[in-house]
Amino acid sequence: GNSVTQMEGPVTLSEEAFLTINCTYTATGYPSLFWYVQYPGEGLQLLLKATKADDKGSNKGFEATYRKETTSFHLEKGSVQVSDSAVYFCALSETDSWGKFQFGAGTQVVVTP
Amino acid sequence: GAVVSQHPSWVICKSGTSVKIECRSLDFQATTMFWYRQFPKQSLMLMATSNEGSKATYEQGVEKDKFLINHASLTLSTLTVTSAHPEDSSFYICSARRETGMGYGYTFGSGTRLTVV
Repeated sequence: GNSVTQMEGPVTLSEEAFLTINCTYTATGYPSLFWYVQYPGEGLQLLLKATKADDKGSNKGFEATYRKETTSFHLEKGSVQVSDSAVYFCALSETDSWGKFQFGAGTQVVVTP
Repeated sequence: GAVVSQHPSWVICKSGTSVKIECRSLDFQATTMFWYRQFPKQSLMLMATSNEGSKATYEQGVEKDKFLINHASLTLSTLTVTSAHPEDSSFYICSARRETGMGYGYTFGSGTRLTVV
């Protein structure tokens, strides 16, 4: 079956540091890949997505590239801010089960001033 | 933007009692609602999918008689954990599907932390 594995947290960084959260997946078909973010007390929000190999999703300074050869979708941001402190979830969805997501366990990121 | 209000955000209940969790779409109609749960240090796992006005479809291994899902209107879906036990303690979160101009979007609730004592 499908699965998503992402690095365990918490990840603690200083402001303006470089952030990478690793995410790898296994899937039987050709899934779309997503990063969701959950700020304290809020629901999961879509951060970015990529629907096919070599696509790069980007939003709010975050980027992730769909790498089929390494089955990865690592999230990166060049200079984090305190406001980026949140839990980040990597997820996939097969096109034939649209709406059903397979999530990773989430990675908590803490950015200190 | 699209908002899903999920209540309660946390609840503590005694073993053997039932707990109801509500998800309400505030500014759109949710024809389909997904319910997930997350045990500590594990992934969010899909429990069931519900379509308005019809019975929910449960994922393998999820007891439909224990986790009752009602989706009676286009703006409200509820999950009732019946006869809760400590092993049901988990984080529950809903996701509502909405139609956008280019297909579908998914809006998540903020989650409910259930602790059964």
